[in-house]
Amino acid sequence: KAGVTQTPRYLIKTRGQQVTLSCSPISGHRSVSWYQQTPGQGLQFLFEYFSETQRNKGNFPGRFSGRQFSNSRSEMNVSTLELGDSALYLCASSLELRSYGYTFGSGTRLTVV
Amino acid sequence: DQQVKQNSPSLSVQEGRISILNCDYTNSMFDYFLWYKKYPAEGPTFLISISSIKDKNEDGRFTVFLNKSAKHLSLHIVPSQPGDSAVYFCAASEGMQGAQKLVFGQGTRLTINP
Repeated sequence: KAGVTQTPRYLIKTRGQQVTLSCSPISGHRSVSWYQQTPGQGLQFLFEYFSETQRNKGNFPGRFSGRQFSNSRSEMNVSTLELGDSALYLCASSLELRSYGYTFGSGTRLTVV
Repeated sequence: DQQVKQNSPSLSVQEGRISILNCDYTNSMFDYFLWYKKYPAEGPTFLISISSIKDKNEDGRFTVFLNKSAKHLSLHIVPSQPGDSAVYFCAASEGMQGAQKLVFGQGTRLTINP
């Protein structure tokens, strides 16, 4: 079965712009989480969506937002981009909330210049 | 405040020997711990996990040990193989109602030398 699909794979944006990243979970998976990976910081939790509702949120500014659609696909938006937002953004899906069987996508590499 | 710490950014081990990756945590409420493996240009893949009610979990060449009193867990890989070269992340989860949030360490890059 198809894995978690993230698009685009690579993005280059300039400071001040906004960006939208997309994540299609594994078919049947209803929970989608987003993580930011930067060198030295590891993976940091952004937020988790389940049944189109944000269920949990990490310690990121309000410029980071997301949503989930009825088909469980999720988008993440970052507004007013800063240089420090350059990172690998990973999406992970699981069957249910509190399901530890996370499957990660390959990520979107965002570079802010 | 880094609740999950992997103090070794890198580790080099000879093929066939044991690889030991370490992880420390500060939050005593964490009740479930996981190890993920990540190759370049790919997302992390789940490797092995352990619940706080256990102190050891084994799966083939991989064994995870949990020392709750020391707030320390380790991943042992025996014997190490070249394909094990990757970045390894430990993660912890706190028992709670509702949504799950995994807290990850910074990762340890393991290199297996032939």
